Amino acid sequence: KAGVTQTPRYLIKTRGQQVTLSCSPISGHRSVSWYQQTPGQGLQFLFEYFSETQRNKGNFPGRFSGRQFSNSRSEMNVSTLELGDSALYLCASSFRVMNTEAFFGQGTRLTVV
Amino acid sequence: AQTVTQSQPEMSVQEAETVTLSCTYDTSESNYYLFWYKQPPSRQMILVIRQEAYKQQNATENRFSVNFQKAAKSFSLKISDSQLGDTAMYFCAFMSGDTGNQFYFGTGTSLTVIP
Repeated sequence: KAGVTQTPRYLIKTRGQQVTLSCSPISGHRSVSWYQQTPGQGLQFLFEYFSETQRNKGNFPGRFSGRQFSNSRSEMNVSTLELGDSALYLCASSFRVMNTEAFFGQGTRLTVV
Repeated sequence: AQTVTQSQPEMSVQEAETVTLSCTYDTSESNYYLFWYKQPPSRQMILVIRQEAYKQQNATENRFSVNFQKAAKSFSLKISDSQLGDTAMYFCAFMSGDTGNQFYFGTGTSLTVIP
């Protein structure tokens, strides 16, 4: 059974650009969550989707958005990139509504220059 | 709001020895879960152990066990017979049992196992 797949693994963007990250959950999983990991702020929750509905959103500006498709794949988008958006973005998937058995991907390392 | 505190930024242990990582949390909820996740250099977060707050018995997974002190809001991880592959960042995390849709992570403890 394939794990959580995040693409791309690495990304370099320029300030002001926008970026889209992708997360393919484990087959059969309907919940996808996104986290931002930085040395200064640690791991912070971005948002969570279940069956295409955003159930919860973290305290991030509106430049951060996401969506989930009918096949449970999820994308997150960051517009007007800032240097501070440089981070490891982690995706987690879960079969149930309760994410107590979440599996994480290897993340996308975004560098904004 | 939930907060998770890990007061040991770095720790080291000799191979085959035992080490304990500390974690405290703050919540007003009574129904919740606590986790320890491991993040090796590959960056993938791997679940080490999970504890349901309503269970008084401490969780155990092979060489990993926890000391869950609910009244003190303490959740420490003990690693026995440490192995080189245990070298990683370890994160303590909280999840509400009512919503179950968001982890609150601590700042992590970097553990190095010395051969």
